[in-house]
Amino acid sequence: AQSVSQHNHHVILSEAASLELGCNYSYGGTVNLFWYVQYPGQHLQLLLKYFSGDPLVKGIKGFEAEFIKSKFSFNLRKPSVQWSDTAEYFCAVRAGRGSTLGRLYFGRGTQLTVWP
Amino acid sequence: NAGVMQNPRHLVRRRGQEARLRCSPMKGHSHVYWYRQLPEEGLKFMVYLQKENIIDESGMPKERFSAEFPKEGPSILRIQQVVRGDSAAYFCASSPRTSGAPDTQYFGPGTRLTVL
Repeated sequence: AQSVSQHNHHVILSEAASLELGCNYSYGGTVNLFWYVQYPGQHLQLLLKYFSGDPLVKGIKGFEAEFIKSKFSFNLRKPSVQWSDTAEYFCAVRAGRGSTLGRLYFGRGTQLTVWP
Repeated sequence: NAGVMQNPRHLVRRRGQEARLRCSPMKGHSHVYWYRQLPEEGLKFMVYLQKENIIDESGMPKERFSAEFPKEGPSILRIQQVVRGDSAAYFCASSPRTSGAPDTQYFGPGTRLTVL
């Protein structure tokens, strides 16, 4: 079965620090990749997604992610975090031939705390 | 344009009772997915439905759990004879019908089920 690993369960940073959250997946075929964010008390919101094309994907709020196929990775980055980025971040993968629709596999999430 | 709606947001049941969770997809979306999030874990896929059809229920426990998405009205996730282990956050997501193209799932706020 496919699996998604997020290596950091809790990351604590000061404002203006750079962020990189790791995400690795186990499937070797066609994948669609997503990062979702869940702010305190709110529902999951899409940060960015990769379907095909340029492996460097830009999302909302200054986030970006890079798909490295050879490493089965889709790491999330932000050059300078803000206090308002405090949230839980989830990496998700949709895998398989014909993967236009269907289930997502989620990592267990990374809680990011940003100190002002 | 309203997002994915879920109700109730919080549900408390005693062991042995039934729990019904409702999900209204975004307008124009014909695909619904249910996920469960246990404490300290990521979201786990349960079931994928289109109107009047169950497409993939491979993530759903074989007993006590059922789901439907009728022609009219919301999708319902039903848990019979709840046990303490069913306590979790249940998220619904919806996506539009886009034949042949990858799509994105949009999540509701979730229903937090507590079984006493």
